[in-house]
Amino acid sequence: GAVVSQHPSWVICKSGTSVKIECRSLDFQATTMFWYRQFPKQSLMLMATSNEGSKATYEQGVEKDKFLINHASLTLSTLTVTSAHPEDSSFYICSGKGSSYNEQFFGPGTRLTVL
Amino acid sequence: DQQVKQNSPSLSVQEGRISILNCDYTNSMFDYFLWYKKYPAEGPTFLISISSIKDKNEDGRFTVFLNKSAKHLSLHIVPSQPGDSAVYFCAASDSGTYKYIFGTGTRLKVLA
Repeated sequence: GAVVSQHPSWVICKSGTSVKIECRSLDFQATTMFWYRQFPKQSLMLMATSNEGSKATYEQGVEKDKFLINHASLTLSTLTVTSAHPEDSSFYICSGKGSSYNEQFFGPGTRLTVL
Repeated sequence: DQQVKQNSPSLSVQEGRISILNCDYTNSMFDYFLWYKKYPAEGPTFLISISSIKDKNEDGRFTVFLNKSAKHLSLHIVPSQPGDSAVYFCAASDSGTYKYIFGTGTRLKVLA
């Protein structure tokens, strides 16, 4: 299958700061990228969908001003958690889907801890 | 409203036996279903998928069955191996949006 990377794999930050997470498709062009969040022992919850060059579409209840998503190229999407608070601490996972695939391929995830 | 449900949070199976993981959905618009395997602190790994035009898809030790009338799908792993121990998520999608709705996961433990 196709490979998706995420950076960083984990990050600890102070409350009020912003954190950027990168998601890259390494061997395919991801026309669509998705961002998920997973709380402990819970399911993956879709936060937003982004198509290259377009604004992201956010799921209900997800604050678009807090979770800034940029999908500037077919291989890179970024999620910026702005003014992070402890309740934003979670496992963030991205996925990419190329035009040749029916499936989404997931990155390894980023563990965010906000102190 | 949980549109995709995995009612068994955990399952233990002896090595070599069959593992059967179940998933139910409520939205009749879903037409594409997938199973992913996930280890802690890692992203999900795609296992197998099935389109709503089929009722069975097989890939090696993994077989997915779809019962559209019951809105139910299952993943069979035969024979089960200790390396299969992980959390398994089913996901459902409608081909118009490509968005996945994930179930809550089933933790499979294969005992040696």
